[in-house]
Amino acid sequence: EAQVTQNPRYLITVTGKKLTVTCSQNMNHEYMSWYRQDPGLGLRQIYYSMNVEVTDKGDVPEGYKVSRKEKRNFPLILESPSPNQTSLYFCASSFGGTNEKLFFGSGTQLSVL
Amino acid sequence: GENVEQHPSTLSVQEGDSAVIKCTYSDSASNYFPWYKQELGKGPQLIIDIRSNVGEKKDQRIAVTLNKTAKHFSLHITETQPEDSAVYFCAAWGEYGNKLVFGAGTILRVKS
Repeated sequence: EAQVTQNPRYLITVTGKKLTVTCSQNMNHEYMSWYRQDPGLGLRQIYYSMNVEVTDKGDVPEGYKVSRKEKRNFPLILESPSPNQTSLYFCASSFGGTNEKLFFGSGTQLSVL
Repeated sequence: GENVEQHPSTLSVQEGDSAVIKCTYSDSASNYFPWYKQELGKGPQLIIDIRSNVGEKKDQRIAVTLNKTAKHFSLHITETQPEDSAVYFCAAWGEYGNKLVFGAGTILRVKS
């Protein structure tokens, strides 16, 4: 089944404790991206990757890191989480970019205490 | 940069009635407008999209209209059913910014 898999679904952590949210897709997509969803703000892009060689900042990259060492995986790293990073996070992928159908994962609800 | 406004934020309709969600965008160069549906506990899923070379597109009970002059586009759902209850996001994409900007979302409740 074609899908984007995120883990974990739920995560509670404390300020400053490094964490990684994993994302994997099995559709051989070139493009991958991370979004955060906050009430009243819709979906905002954190980072994106056009392919294994290209990664760039989105609209709200502060406090986040990503890596794209292989085509199928695109982990999101919070080196020192803060309470304002409490949010619902989604990984998404597509064949060529955001002007094509995006396939989203099921989301990771993160709470930073 | 692009800004997308979506209205209403919440919409309640009776089963069988129609629902309309409207979005406006700011960048006249935007040319791709998708709509995503997010069910509870799931990620958004594309339900319909339209490109700027057409004014309307239909898929069964769902239709999207685009008015490039006024820079607004709308989602129309006819004969609503309880399973249409979800959060709906509009979005706009333009080549200049090469990114997809989402609206704030509309919570649609279909009462049976």
